Amino acid sequence: QVQLQESGPGLVKLSEALSLTCTVSGGSISDHYWSWIRQPPGKGLEWIGYIYYSGSTNYNPSLKSRVTISGDPSKNQLSLKLSSVTAADTAVYYCARGGRTFDYWGQGSLVTVSS
Amino acid sequence: DIQMTQSPSSLSASVGDRVTITCQASQDINNFLNWYQQKPGKAPNLLIYDASNLQTGVPSRFSGSGSGTDFSFTISSLQPEDIATYYCQQNDNLPRTFGQGTKVEIK
Repeated sequence: QVQLQESGPGLVKLSEALSLTCTVSGGSISDHYWSWIRQPPGKGLEWIGYIYYSGSTNYNPSLKSRVTISGDPSKNQLSLKLSSVTAADTAVYYCARGGRTFDYWGQGSLVTVSS
Repeated sequence: DIQMTQSPSSLSASVGDRVTITCQASQDINNFLNWYQQKPGKAPNLLIYDASNLQTGVPSRFSGSGSGTDFSFTISSLQPEDIATYYCQQNDNLPRTFGQGTKVEIK
């Protein structure tokens, strides 16, 4: 059974960078596309971007200038970095398997941007 | 970006009722439409992929239909455990986009 677990700081200061890690178990990250998706408190879902094992990435144009998604096959981990955060970046961040259809999700990691 | 518009934004129904949610895409997305269920405090869970295919392990009371720009999602007999917010998502174009969600409650 594929399992995903997000980890990282729950509090990030305004204008600094947000960094999260997603550890995958029960399957290799080299076999699939992997996405990051976020959800502001009480709001809907926003796709951030995906990575394929080859290193190929695609980002939401609304975040493209600030986002980097990477993968470490040796650790079976994915990473998300979002620079220059504002209050609007406060959200639960999910990693999910897939680039089109998201069939396995992590439990989510709440990141709050503080001033 | 393709805009996904769900209707209604919320609904209240009785146990055993048939519930239908619609999702309209701002342009033709063929049948590349998924449906997710999200319970409070939990991650979304894939129910239907490519408009009408039931994900493994999902109860058969859930179904989906449609193609092009107009899609629907149906719960044939609402159960207490179906209380959740439901989202549609298009996987035809990048960036992937979601509907705003439909909150389903028990009357």
